[in-house]
Amino acid sequence: GAVVSQHPSRVICKSGTSVKIECRSLDFQATTMFWYRQFPKQSLMLMATSNEGSKATYEQGVEKDKFLINHASLTLSTLTVTSAHPEDSSFYICSARVPGGRETQYFGPGTRLLVL
Amino acid sequence: GQNIDQPTEMTATEGAIVQINCTYQTSGFNGLFWYQQHAGEAPTFLSYNVLDGLEEKGRFSSFLSRSKGYSYLLLKELQMKDSASYLCAVTDSNYQLIWGAGTKLIIKP
Repeated sequence: GAVVSQHPSRVICKSGTSVKIECRSLDFQATTMFWYRQFPKQSLMLMATSNEGSKATYEQGVEKDKFLINHASLTLSTLTVTSAHPEDSSFYICSARVPGGRETQYFGPGTRLLVL
Repeated sequence: GQNIDQPTEMTATEGAIVQINCTYQTSGFNGLFWYQQHAGEAPTFLSYNVLDGLEEKGRFSSFLSRSKGYSYLLLKELQMKDSASYLCAVTDSNYQLIWGAGTKLIIKP
């Protein structure tokens, strides 16, 4: 299957700082990437859909000014958690959709964010 | 509204067979996915069904009935490493992926 990388895998930061998470499709070009958040023992929650060269589409209840998404190229999308607070601590997972055919999403390994 | 139902938790014995069911009600249908997610890790793709019938891939098989809005994931010869959550997801008419809450599968020796 397609390979998606995510960096960093784990980050610990102080409250008020901003954290940037990168998501890369390594062996294919992804016009669409997705950002999910998952709290412990809960299901995946889609935060936003990231489209290359255009603005991201955010799900209801997700603050676009707090979770900045940039999809500057066909292989890279970034999520920046601005002014992070302890309640933003979560597992953030990106996925990339292989274009054409099945529209299968392949997931990155995830980033565990802990805000102190 | 759009809805995907799957059992919250199932328990099975090592070496046995288990079937995880998924029913869905979505606005349109463009395919159904099964993903496996181990605790603390991201989901990994298992299978895709868009036509009725059974798709077999090694120890795992996935079945789809579009008329019934129903799918199942069948795991044979269960191994301890199969302990994970299994997520059912459906692509609707807008190619949005609608996720089920996942079924936590516990394998006992």
